[in-house]
Amino acid sequence: DVKVTQSSRYLVKRTGEKVFLECVQDMDHENMFWYRQDPGLGLRLIYFSYDVKMKEKGDIPEGYSVSREKKERFSLILESASTNQTSMYLCASTPGALDDQPQHFGDGTRLSIL
Amino acid sequence: GQQLNQSPQSMFIQEGEDVSMNCTSSSIFNTWLWYKQDPGEGPVLLIALYKAGELTSNGRLTAQFGITRKDSFLNISASIPSDVGIYFCAGVTTSGTYKYIFGTGTRLKVLA
Repeated sequence: DVKVTQSSRYLVKRTGEKVFLECVQDMDHENMFWYRQDPGLGLRLIYFSYDVKMKEKGDIPEGYSVSREKKERFSLILESASTNQTSMYLCASTPGALDDQPQHFGDGTRLSIL
Repeated sequence: GQQLNQSPQSMFIQEGEDVSMNCTSSSIFNTWLWYKQDPGEGPVLLIALYKAGELTSNGRLTAQFGITRKDSFLNISASIPSDVGIYFCAGVTTSGTYKYIFGTGTRLKVLA
């Protein structure tokens, strides 16, 4: 079974802090994704990556950046956290670059910005 | 970004009842996926559909890929309390910058 692990289940940070959310997958997947999930809005794509050191913007990249230095790890960075970034963050991965295989999700990080 | 129209948004049902939910879109998809998300957890894949008209079952769950490729439905038969959660559909397309489009979810509550 694919295992997508997010480093924290719950995180509380202060406005203006730089925040790192980490995601690791153990199945040598090519593609990794970061979403945020808010009530009534569903899953919104922040960034995704199809390869090491490669990133593409999703629907809502403003205020976020990402890093993929190793294939198994995809980090989401909040450069200067704001209260409107309080949300549930979900990481996902899929095997190949051009397939339509289902995304495998981590358990999520519930982030609160005070 | 594009979203799928998923209905109903929420439903309360009695244990033992059958449940039906659906997703529709103006776009064509190559694949339809159905996920369930328990409170405080990430979404877990229930069923994947790869062909128009395909009908697939997973235990008490049955899902169909619409013949027009623009819709899909999920049925749950004889619901039980552990079916509670949020059910998401996702359409996958090979056109556009990225490919996974998610519905806004159906929140299911089962009354024992």
